[in-house]
Amino acid sequence: QQQVKQSPQSLIVQKGGISIINCAYENTAFDYFPWYQQFPGKGPALLIAIRPDVSEKKEGRFTISFNKSAKQFSLHIMDSQPGDSATYFCAALFSTLGRLYFGRGTQLTVWP
Amino acid sequence: SQTIHQWPATLVQPVGSPLSLECTVEGTSNPNLYWYRQAAGRGLQLLFYSVGIGQISSEVPQNLSASRPQDRQFILSSKKLLLSDSGFYLCAWSLLGGYTFGSGTRLTVV
Repeated sequence: QQQVKQSPQSLIVQKGGISIINCAYENTAFDYFPWYQQFPGKGPALLIAIRPDVSEKKEGRFTISFNKSAKQFSLHIMDSQPGDSATYFCAALFSTLGRLYFGRGTQLTVWP
Repeated sequence: SQTIHQWPATLVQPVGSPLSLECTVEGTSNPNLYWYRQAAGRGLQLLFYSVGIGQISSEVPQNLSASRPQDRQFILSSKKLLLSDSGFYLCAWSLLGGYTFGSGTRLTVV
C-alpha cells in the first residue's frame, strides 16, 4: 500500500513558469513532510520541509503548501529554471518510528 | 558536521558473484541507518533499516542481507547476485527525523 501518493509522474515546464507537484497521504500520524531533489546519478537531497501545524513554507523560489484537512501537500517552484530539472520526491515521516515514506517521484524538465 | 560515505560509486558484477557495499557515517552517534534501492526511472524502495548495532529490519524478502557491525557502519551483502539485483543503491542515515542520503552505488549485474 502506497502511503504517499505523488503526481504527476513527469512534468515539463517552460523556463520562467511555475512547476507544481502534488502529494496526498492517508495516515494522520505523519508529523513531518519533506521534499527531496535528486539529480541523475546522485542521492536525493533535502530541499524543503514542513510540519502539519503550518499551512505554507517558502524558501526562495520553492514553496510548500499544506492542507491538513484534505491530507494533501504540494511543492511550487516559481520562475522554474533549467537547473531545476531533476526528480522530486515528497515524503511523510513518523517521527516516533523514524520511518520516512516516499512518493514515487516526479521527473521535472524545464525547457530553456 | 555529519557526513555519509558510500562506496564504490559504480560496480559491475557477474551473475552469481558475491556483493558487499559499505556505508559509513561520521559526526553523529547512534543514527538510524537505511539501505534503499532505486530501479531506473523508479521510486525509492526501502530494503533494510537499523536502529542500532546488530539490529536489522528487512522490508522485503530478497536476495540481499544487511549487517551493522559498528555504530556508524552499515553493509549490504549478497552471496550470489541475480540480474534483478541491478539498480542504484542508496544508504541514508537519520537522527530525529531528517534523512541524509549518500551519493549512491550504481550496480550492474551482467
